[in-house]
Amino acid sequence: SQTIHQWPATLVQPVGSPLSLECTVEGTSNPNLYWYRQAAGRGLQLLFYSVGIGQISSEVPQNLSASRPQDRQFILSSKKLLLSDSGFYLCAWSYHHRKREYGETQYFGPGTRLLVL
Amino acid sequence: QKEVEQDPGPLSVPEGAIVSLNCTYSNSAFQYFMWYRQYSRKGPELLMYTYSSGNKEDGRFTAQVDKSSKYISLFIRDSQPSDSATYLCAMRQAGGYQKVTFGTGTKLQVIP
Repeated sequence: SQTIHQWPATLVQPVGSPLSLECTVEGTSNPNLYWYRQAAGRGLQLLFYSVGIGQISSEVPQNLSASRPQDRQFILSSKKLLLSDSGFYLCAWSYHHRKREYGETQYFGPGTRLLVL
Repeated sequence: QKEVEQDPGPLSVPEGAIVSLNCTYSNSAFQYFMWYRQYSRKGPELLMYTYSSGNKEDGRFTAQVDKSSKYISLFIRDSQPSDSATYLCAMRQAGGYQKVTFGTGTKLQVIP
């Protein structure tokens, strides 16, 4: 079976500090990977998605960046955090869109709660 | 107008009640429809997944899609306190990679 891990679970960082959140998926190969931010009352905002190693698409211009150094590893980074970066960050995966027979649903990790002070 | 509209609630019901959760949408190209359940401070977990119109049943949960009305529903029968969570609807178009559009979620509380 497939599992998705995120760490850390909670993070408190000062404004201006760097950020690195990591997500790994087990039990599947060549997944599509996603980073979302969830704010209260605003639903899930897609930040980045990746359909393969080194292939990153950004949905929202902002202070964050993403990288995919390995097939099942997805990293969310920032050089300097802003107060507005606080939120609940979720990583998700789906079967690669070419594997139509598996459906195209996204599966979420446990999330990282980030508080920027 | 948002692409997907969902009443934020909160919705409070007594244990054993039938719960109806709904979403409306504006994009007629949506073909895949999902419902996620999210407990407080946890990631969303997939509950139901349907393609195009019709009903799908899984235990106490039934998902309905009415594409002519651009309206989807999730019914929970014999609701339990453990069903207390936020329910997110989600949908996407078919073909290749397509972004998933989420509702903002309805918070449900089942009172024992």
